[in-house]
Amino acid sequence: EVHLVESGGGLVQPGGSLRLSCAASGFTFISHWMSWARQAPGKGLEWVANIKEDGSEQYYVDSVKGRFTIHRDNTKNSVSLQMNSLRAEDTAVYYCARTLLLGYQYYMDVWGKGTTVTVS
Amino acid sequence: QSALTQPRSVSGSPGQSVTISCTGTRNDVGGYNSVAWYQHHPGEAPKLLIYDVIKWPSGVPHRFSGSKSGNTASLTISGLQAEDEADYYCCSFAGTYTWVFGGGTKLTVL
Repeated sequence: EVHLVESGGGLVQPGGSLRLSCAASGFTFISHWMSWARQAPGKGLEWVANIKEDGSEQYYVDSVKGRFTIHRDNTKNSVSLQMNSLRAEDTAVYYCARTLLLGYQYYMDVWGKGTTVTVS
Repeated sequence: QSALTQPRSVSGSPGQSVTISCTGTRNDVGGYNSVAWYQHHPGEAPKLLIYDVIKWPSGVPHRFSGSKSGNTASLTISGLQAEDEADYYCCSFAGTYTWVFGGGTKLTVL
């Protein structure tokens, strides 16, 4: 069974940094893109970043470019999100998701339950 | 990368059908046949219901169906059940490995 577990969330001051991690199991990690998404309190889901199987390509939503970095360690079946220069508007539950090629495109097909980041 | 537009809420009685709309632009929904729908029970992991506008991942009941016309995609849930009460999100490919979600729709089963 595919299993994703996020960790690393917590309370951080504006301008601070935090590193989220996601441990993956139950599938061939190195064969899949991985993504991070988030949900701010009372708001909808927002795609944040994704990373190619070998880590050679990363893509970000405009609001986090230059501040967040997605990274993966294929030897440890894990993906991380380094978040710097945090702002109040980054407060959210952050989800890790396997990103699978289905049909025409890559989709976030299996998600973790999330880890909460509060910037205050 | 503006969020797609969904109604804030919809409701229906058990056994009825409801449709949730998702409006974007020609740069996302209208430009690609790459729209997904997710079901999200708060506190749980979001679940993929539909991809490529109309396709089902393995295990998803066909009571959930998708469609698209122009810049608007839709999710129809037939034969409503109590457990369908959740938040529903559309998500569209927006070019070069980027994605945009809708604001979410809360479904209430009366």
